[in-house]
Amino acid sequence: AQKITQTQPGMFVQEKEAVTLDCTYDTSDPSYGLFWYKQPSSGEMIFLIYQGSYDQQNATEGRYSLNFQKARKSANLVISASQLGDSAMYFCAMREADSNYQLIWGAGTKLIIKP
Amino acid sequence: EAGVVQSPRYKIIEKKQPVAFWCNPISGHNTLYWYRQNLGQGPELLIRYENEEAVDDSQLPKDRFSAERLKGVDSTLKIQPAELGDSAVYLCASSSGRGVRETQYFGPGTRLLVL
Repeated sequence: AQKITQTQPGMFVQEKEAVTLDCTYDTSDPSYGLFWYKQPSSGEMIFLIYQGSYDQQNATEGRYSLNFQKARKSANLVISASQLGDSAMYFCAMREADSNYQLIWGAGTKLIIKP
Repeated sequence: EAGVVQSPRYKIIEKKQPVAFWCNPISGHNTLYWYRQNLGQGPELLIRYENEEAVDDSQLPKDRFSAERLKGVDSTLKIQPAELGDSAVYLCASSSGRGVRETQYFGPGTRLLVL
């Protein structure tokens, strides 16, 4: 069974609009962390934001925020005021405390920002 | 602070030839990862080092892949002989600390094409 599901293979968004990238996860481990990475066409995987399962508040980092709904097991990435430079692949990943700390990756969402 | 350095950035070889990739992690990071990423997919872990020790190499195809991390700093991943199916991006990442919160920082990757 998929542990990380990103249901949107691709998205087109108008510049300056907000965009939400979906991520659902599956775990029975009470201690886990969720990560979002951005991968531009240059290939480098860039860390964006982290949310821990015990964190009381949703994570925010500049224009990035995480809509963490623990009961629904979703951790959607929200990008406010999108820019052309946001065009990239976006990956959601999870680490469980019981899994020898291996990072489990989703298949990614390709985001294209239209001018 | 310098990021993770990888070389070469691109490599084209013929099948059955050997190839090697080099990675220098962020200074002070004791954990180093090698991943393989096929087109349109998330990264797949090949091997994880804690200092000099390979603590997780269960996904490394040991018949043709080998890796080393002498002195617990930089690392080399080798394929010998290469096959057509080895064409992919090879990513190196490093991290410090432990736990679910541990963040991996990635290099730019090496794009390998096997002809």
